[in-house]
Amino acid sequence: DTGVSQDPRHKITKRGQNVTFRCDPISEHNRLYWYRQTLGQGPEFLTYFQNEAQLEKSRLLSDRFSAERPKGSFSTLEIQRTEQGDSAMYLCASSLDQGVDYGYTFGSGTRLTVV
Amino acid sequence: DAKTTQPPSMDCAEGRAANLPCNHSTISGNEYVYWYRQIHSQGPQYIIHGLKNNETNEMASLIITEDRKSSTLILPHATLRDTAVYYCIVRTGGFKTIFGAGTRLFVKA
Repeated sequence: DTGVSQDPRHKITKRGQNVTFRCDPISEHNRLYWYRQTLGQGPEFLTYFQNEAQLEKSRLLSDRFSAERPKGSFSTLEIQRTEQGDSAMYLCASSLDQGVDYGYTFGSGTRLTVV
Repeated sequence: DAKTTQPPSMDCAEGRAANLPCNHSTISGNEYVYWYRQIHSQGPQYIIHGLKNNETNEMASLIITEDRKSSTLILPHATLRDTAVYYCIVRTGGFKTIFGAGTRLFVKA
């Protein structure tokens, strides 16, 4: 068990460019979550998947954001036409849902800077 | 999900117990209390959770009042590496986790 992996760790992009982040969850975990965190704030929920199905999306997830989890394994989060307000840490987490889950395992995050 | 109230910051001397309070007066019967912590520049880390009984693991103890309206996370012998933001969350099992601002714990030598 190597934990939750996120790639890249850091991304600097120019405003208007598209970016894509990848998350590899713990292999036996059926749930995968994306969060966004800005400085001094707690993580904000964006979306989550159970297996390959995207079950919920936050209103924070504008039309420029899209997430996928093909085959219920890794997930990608794409941001199109990035804006300076998208600068944040993007966190991925996974969990095993058995009615009551035993907490999430988070990755180390991808820090996005839009210049 | 029920809201929680935590102090914004706390200090603790190294080697002493750190007691982090959390109020969740609107908790419902099927909601669990979860605690996570986040060390600078890392993702949050799950610590412990409970429903109504006190719980202990290798990291911490969770004390939940009998009426379940509040709880305390106890780090029995705080070290400098326990300096972090601690989040108290209440939610129904299987639902998404909503984080608040948490308590910033400073462990001082």
